[in-house]
Amino acid sequence: EAGVTQFPSHSVIEKGQTVTLRCDPISGHDNLYWYRRVMGKEIKFLLHFVKESKQDESGMPNNRFLAERTGGTYSTLKVQPAELEDSGVYFCASSHPGLRGELFFGEGSRLTVL
Amino acid sequence: AQSVAQPEDQVNVAEGNPLTVKCTYSVSGNPYLFWYVQYPNRGLQFLLKYITGDNLVKGSYGFEAEFNKSQTSFHLKKPSALVSDSALYFCAVRPNTGGFKTIFGAGTRLFVKA
Repeated sequence: EAGVTQFPSHSVIEKGQTVTLRCDPISGHDNLYWYRRVMGKEIKFLLHFVKESKQDESGMPNNRFLAERTGGTYSTLKVQPAELEDSGVYFCASSHPGLRGELFFGEGSRLTVL
Repeated sequence: AQSVAQPEDQVNVAEGNPLTVKCTYSVSGNPYLFWYVQYPNRGLQFLLKYITGDNLVKGSYGFEAEFNKSQTSFHLKKPSALVSDSALYFCAVRPNTGGFKTIFGAGTRLFVKA
């Protein structure tokens, strides 16, 4: 069974540019989460999808961040325009209700904004 | 505010010695408690969880964790450390009210010396 996959693994962009991160969850996992870890700090929640619906987007930093989940399958997280403080590792995770909270993570997308 | 604290940035232990990685949390109610491990250039992997029942839970790779409700702690332990245990360990808590947002600590880096 394929795990959670994220693309790209690393992106380097200039301040003001746009970046789109993609996450493919494990097949059959209705819950999809985005998290971000800034250097050495805690992994912070960004948002949660249940199928194609946003269940909780309380962690999204501001309106420069836009997340979508097409048809309840893969998800994208767009940052436009990117700022220096957006640098970090963006993790995607998926889960199934029967797993009682256990999350399956992708390897992360490292974003560097110069 | 709900939070998870991992008071040690780094833990050093000799191979064969017991190890403890500390975690305390500030979350109301009876949350689910988790430990995840991250190896270099990999995503987070689930180690173990506590939901209810016996305060000592066993997980993958010989790890176990002890839940202490009065101290709101969930320390990770292993009787005999291996060099291959060297990695970044994250404690996480999922409140059982108000949604399905899992809260993570900042991580503790474990170094096991041969």
